[in-house]
Amino acid sequence: AQSVTQLGSHVSVSEGALVLLRCNYSSSVPPYLFWYVQYPNQGLQLLLKYTTGATLVKGINGFEAEFKKSETSFHLTKPSAHMSDAAEYFCASSGSGGYNKLIFGAGTRLAVHP
Amino acid sequence: DTGVSQNPRHKITKRGQNVTFRCDPISEHNRLYWYRQTLGQGPEFLTYFQNEAQLEKSRLLSDRFSAERPKGSFSTLEIQRTEQGDSAMYLCASSLEVGGRNSEQYFGPGTRLTVT
Repeated sequence: AQSVTQLGSHVSVSEGALVLLRCNYSSSVPPYLFWYVQYPNQGLQLLLKYTTGATLVKGINGFEAEFKKSETSFHLTKPSAHMSDAAEYFCASSGSGGYNKLIFGAGTRLAVHP
Repeated sequence: DTGVSQNPRHKITKRGQNVTFRCDPISEHNRLYWYRQTLGQGPEFLTYFQNEAQLEKSRLLSDRFSAERPKGSFSTLEIQRTEQGDSAMYLCASSLEVGGRNSEQYFGPGTRLTVT
């Protein structure tokens, strides 16, 4: 069965520092992978996605993620954190061959301090 | 494109009461998903529809839960005889499936249920 593991339920960085949020997936075949962001009392907004092709994907708000099949990882990075990046981030996977139901990780809450 | 909308945004109910939530997907989207998110956890899949057909249900969806999408547009999720463990955020998402290829899912703002 597919599963998604996010390492670190809370991450705290200084404004301007590198953001690194970790995600590992478990699947017998490479799935489609997603990062979503959730602000308080709001729904989920898609940051970026990996389906096939280029393993480094760029998303909105300066975020990017790299799919590494050998490490079964899809870590999210941003070179320089802004205060507005403070939110909860979810990694998710769906079955390969199409976008189907999403399997989410438990989430990582990112705090950005001055 | 008005996005996915959900009503109500918040619902407080007493244990044992029935509640119903509504989701209006993006107008041209033929797939509609329901997820449940409890505090400190990621969303968990409950069920999804393709047009009016309910194609998959999670084991999380007990017999107290029922979802419908009668005309292939909006959907309702009903919980009968609510329990405190039902307290959660209920999220709806929609997508467009064409020729076996499905788009990404767009999420609504959610309905937060509190059972007292």
